[in-house]
Amino acid sequence: GAGVSQSPSNKVTEKGKDVELRCDPISGHTALYWYRQSLGQGLEFLIYFQGNSAPDKSGLPSDRFSAERTGGSVSTLTIQRTQQEDSAVYLCASSLGFGPSGYEQYFGPGTRLTVT
Amino acid sequence: TQLLEQSPQFLSIQEGENLTVYCNSSSVFSSLQWYRQEPGEGPVLLVTVVTGGEVKKLKRLTFQFGDARKDSSLHITAAQPGDTGLYLCAGVSSGTYKYIFGTGTRLKVLA
Repeated sequence: GAGVSQSPSNKVTEKGKDVELRCDPISGHTALYWYRQSLGQGLEFLIYFQGNSAPDKSGLPSDRFSAERTGGSVSTLTIQRTQQEDSAVYLCASSLGFGPSGYEQYFGPGTRLTVT
Repeated sequence: TQLLEQSPQFLSIQEGENLTVYCNSSSVFSSLQWYRQEPGEGPVLLVTVVTGGEVKKLKRLTFQFGDARKDSSLHITAAQPGDTGLYLCAGVSSGTYKYIFGTGTRLKVLA
């Protein structure tokens, strides 16, 4: 079956422009996560969606970042007025659910964002 | 703020050697996962440990969750070049159930 897909795979943008990153999760997965990864580093949590519950936005670094998930499926991460420090790989993951025992997260290949 | 520190940050060893990677926090986690990531790809789950003191073995890999559920270790026996990659631990935060990722350990196994 299809895994998590992300588009675009690479995005180069000028400082100050807005960008939209897309994530298509695995069908039937109710939880969706966005992370940011700087070169070779660990993952920084940004936001996660679980079913119809209000998203946990506690990891968004500034109000320039926003995300939505339409119809419980596709998600879009929007970065407004991009800055050079926004350059990173943005990873999306989905899982069947969430809970204390942890569910396996299935990751997409990421979108590499470069702000010039 | 919950943080997970991994050590070492980098590790370069010869094929056949053993190694241990550590994942430490001052916070308690509901469960803990280990992932491996290769260049240009997303992380892939290796194991989930749930109970304090739990030990899981997957072939040459042994995972342990600390008794207090604040730390974990990954031990690789007789490392092979195919083990090369970025190893990430991820703690499941109590209550919110979001994942807090560690700082990562980059392993290179030389043939």
